[in-house]
Amino acid sequence: KQEVTQIPAALSVPEGENLVLNCSFTDSAIYNLQWFRQDPGKGLTSLLLIQSSQREQTSGRLNASLDKSSGRSTLYIAASQPGDSATYLCPPVRGVGYALNFGKGTSLLVTP
Amino acid sequence: DGGITQSPKYLFRKEGQNVTLSCEQNLNHDAMYWYRQDPGQGLRLIYYSQIVNDFQKGDIAEGYSVSREKKESFPLTVTSAQKNPTAFYLCASTLRSEYGYTFGSGTRLTVV
Repeated sequence: KQEVTQIPAALSVPEGENLVLNCSFTDSAIYNLQWFRQDPGKGLTSLLLIQSSQREQTSGRLNASLDKSSGRSTLYIAASQPGDSATYLCPPVRGVGYALNFGKGTSLLVTP
Repeated sequence: DGGITQSPKYLFRKEGQNVTLSCEQNLNHDAMYWYRQDPGQGLRLIYYSQIVNDFQKGDIAEGYSVSREKKESFPLTVTSAQKNPTAFYLCASTLRSEYGYTFGSGTRLTVV
């Protein structure tokens, strides 16, 4: 079964810092990997979707990379803001007939 | 705007009651999913459906039931056989894995 590990589990930084969230997974037979954020008591909001044929995907201050062969993905957040405070999740995607496997996420707090 | 609507936002269940959580999408997605989220744990798959009138059990299907009579709708019933139903329930859908997944805003179920 796909195991997903996210490091660090929690992170607190002052506003303006650049930061990296790490995601590793055990099964490299994936179509793509999707980064989400979850605010407390809310659903998941999609941030970036990286296809297995891509190595990077960018959206505004967010940049995600994927190294499928090594089972790793990173999410880079530039110039962090208090509004970035949330839990970040990175389930790898095998196909519609498979569950999205989630780790416990990285809980990010950006302080003013 | 297209999306997934989950209702109600909060639901209270008495011991021995069955309750039904609603999930409706207007994205024209074929596949729909139900996940359960508990504090400190990753999301876990309850049931999924790839097409109307067909669904499969996920990792934690015991005590739950679903139906898929319409493409747009995938209701989840939490039966009295589910001994610990207090959790946050999330519905998701996708057209194809390559396009990523969309999540609803969730239903918080509490046993009283």
